[in-house]
Amino acid sequence: KAGVTQTPRYLIKTRGQQVTLSCSPISGHRSVSWYQQTPGQGLQFLFEYFSETQRNKGNFPGRFSGRQFSNSRSEMNVSTLELGDSALYLCASLGDPITEAFFGQGTRLTVV
Amino acid sequence: GENVEQHPSTLSVQEGDSAVIKCTYSDSASNYFPWYKQELGKRPQLIIDIRSNVGEKKDQRIAVTLNKTAKHFSLHITETQPEDSAVYFCAAKGGADGLTFGKGTHLIIQP
Repeated sequence: KAGVTQTPRYLIKTRGQQVTLSCSPISGHRSVSWYQQTPGQGLQFLFEYFSETQRNKGNFPGRFSGRQFSNSRSEMNVSTLELGDSALYLCASLGDPITEAFFGQGTRLTVV
Repeated sequence: GENVEQHPSTLSVQEGDSAVIKCTYSDSASNYFPWYKQELGKRPQLIIDIRSNVGEKKDQRIAVTLNKTAKHFSLHITETQPEDSAVYFCAAKGGADGLTFGKGTHLIIQP
C-alpha cells in the first residue's frame, strides 16, 4: 500500500506570492489533515477534509485555505506569503473510524 | 476547541533509566490519544495510542496511561536506549474534531 505523498518536498517563495501544496492520502482513506510545524510552535492544526468537505479548521488566518478532490487528494493554498509562513507543512491521512494518522514527508516552505 | 498541554519540553535521562512525558487535555469528549515520535528530519510516526475505554496500554518498553477523570495521559519509556532520542508528541482527538497536538518533548538519552 502506497504511503502518504506530499509534493513538492521543498519550496522557496518570495513574500507576497502564493503557494499550493499537494497531498495524496493512502488509498481508501477519505480524511486528510494539514499541519504546520515550526520549531517554536510544534505541530499546529490547519484544517481537516473528509469526503471533499472541510470538517474542521484551526486558528489560522484566511490566507490559508484548502480543498479536497473526489479522489481524496488534497491541496492547501497560502496566499500573500509572509516570512512567518516558513515552516514544514505536513499532511496526515486517516482511515475511518478513528485510526492512526499517517504522515507524509512534508513540504518545507521557505519564504524570503 | 481542544487544547493539549505537554510537559516537559525537554527531558534528559541516563541510558537505561525510565522517561515519563505527561499531557493534559481540555475537551472531555476526546476519546483517542496517540503518541508520535519524530526523529530529526523525519515525519512523525505513531508509537502507541490509547482509546478512552482503556486505562493503560503497553507495548514492550513503551506504555501509555490515561486518566479520563483528570483529563491527563502519560507516556512511559523504560530501559531507555540511544535510539529513543527524538521529539515526542502527544495528541488528542474527539468526535469529528482533528487531532490536536501538544508542543512536543525533546527526549535526550545520555550515554
